[in-house]
Parts: sequence; C-alpha cells; structure tokens
Amino acid sequence: NAGVTQTPKFRILKIGQSMTLQCTQDMNHNYMYWYRQDPGMGLKLIYYSVGAGITDKGEVPNGYNVSRSTTEDFPLRLELAAPSQTSVYFCASNAGPLAKNIQYFGAGTRLSVL
Amino acid sequence: KQEVTQIPAALSVPEGENLVLNCSFTDSAIYNLQWFRQDPGKGLTSLLLIQSSQREQTSGRLNASLDKSSGRSTLYIAASQPGDSATYLCAGYNTDKLIFGTGTRLQVFP
Repeated sequence: NAGVTQTPKFRILKIGQSMTLQCTQDMNHNYMYWYRQDPGMGLKLIYYSVGAGITDKGEVPNGYNVSRSTTEDFPLRLELAAPSQTSVYFCASNAGPLAKNIQYFGAGTRLSVL
Repeated sequence: KQEVTQIPAALSVPEGENLVLNCSFTDSAIYNLQWFRQDPGKGLTSLLLIQSSQREQTSGRLNASLDKSSGRSTLYIAASQPGDSATYLCAGYNTDKLIFGTGTRLQVFP
C-alpha cells in the first residue's frame, strides 16, 4: 500500500543550487499535482499533469519545472534555489472525475534554502 | 479566479463540544469538494469528499455538507475529542485542479 511516495523527506540547499524532488505513485492515476505549503498557510498549486506527456502551470510556477514521462512519476525541478522557495512540498494524485477525484497525498518534502 | 476561504482561522474548545467549520468558495463551477485533516508536520489525510450531485456525506462523528448555490460547505464534528486537534482544510475541484482554503486550526482540550 505505497500510494504516493516522495523523496527526500528533508533537504537543505544553498542559494543557487539545483535539485529534483521525486514523486511516484503506484495507483495508476492519470492526475498528479505539486503543491507548496508555507508556514501557517494553505496549499498552493505549482504544477499539475493530467497524463503522461501533459503538464500545466498552477498558481505559483515560477522557479520550478516539471516533466511527466511516465504515468507513475512526476518530478519537480528547482533550477536556481532561492530563500523564497523554503517550504514544504507535497505531491498528490487522483484517478480523475470518474473516480470522484479523491486526492491522495505524499508525506511531503521539507526544503530549506539558506 | 477561484478562491476558497475558511472561517474561523483558529478554534479552541473544550472536549465534548459540537463544532462547525466553514468553507466558502467564489466560483460555483466547482464540482467536488473535499475535506482534509493535517496533523503538525504531517501530510494531508482525506476525511470526506462531496460530489456536486450530493448535499452531504457522513463518516463517524463527521458530517460535511455542500451548497453550491450559496458557495458554502460546512464540516460538522460531533462530540469533539482531544484527538481531533489538527488543521482542517477544505478544497474545491475546478476543472482539473484542486484549490485549497487556508485551513482552520482546531485545538480540543480535555
């Protein structure tokens, strides 16, 4: 019962470094999402994908990139890390409207940029 | 642009009280609404999902209602317990995207 798996759980980056946050799901979901959650705030959508090869911007895409080469994986790339990207990042997936869009979340990646 | 607002932002109550958490959204085009629970430092756990064709859903001591015409959803927690202490988030589906409210931080004290 793996569900949505995110790695790493924690990471500290220096300003200007780059990294990739990994997300994989084993439920064969077409819809996948990346959110960020700043302290005391709700979740803001960064990017999403409705199927392999298809990605689209959410509310706060600047400074991030994604790719969706397979149904299972949806990595999030930070190219030039900035302190403003310090946040908790959540990956999520769902099977779409026909499956009631029930959203499943990973445990999160806590990122600090210093 | 879809916006989701939750009131109150924080709530502290004694054990045993019945609670109502409110969620309002600006765009009646949302078709599903989902309530989540988030414990400190943890991910999100789905509590209830209400489809646009439904008016309410129940799970144990939780009952969620949806009124699309007024742009509101409520989460009712009966006989609250200290273990209910967490942040509660509502989120509405707008086409392919789930838009989150800012949450209600609940503390239930013995």
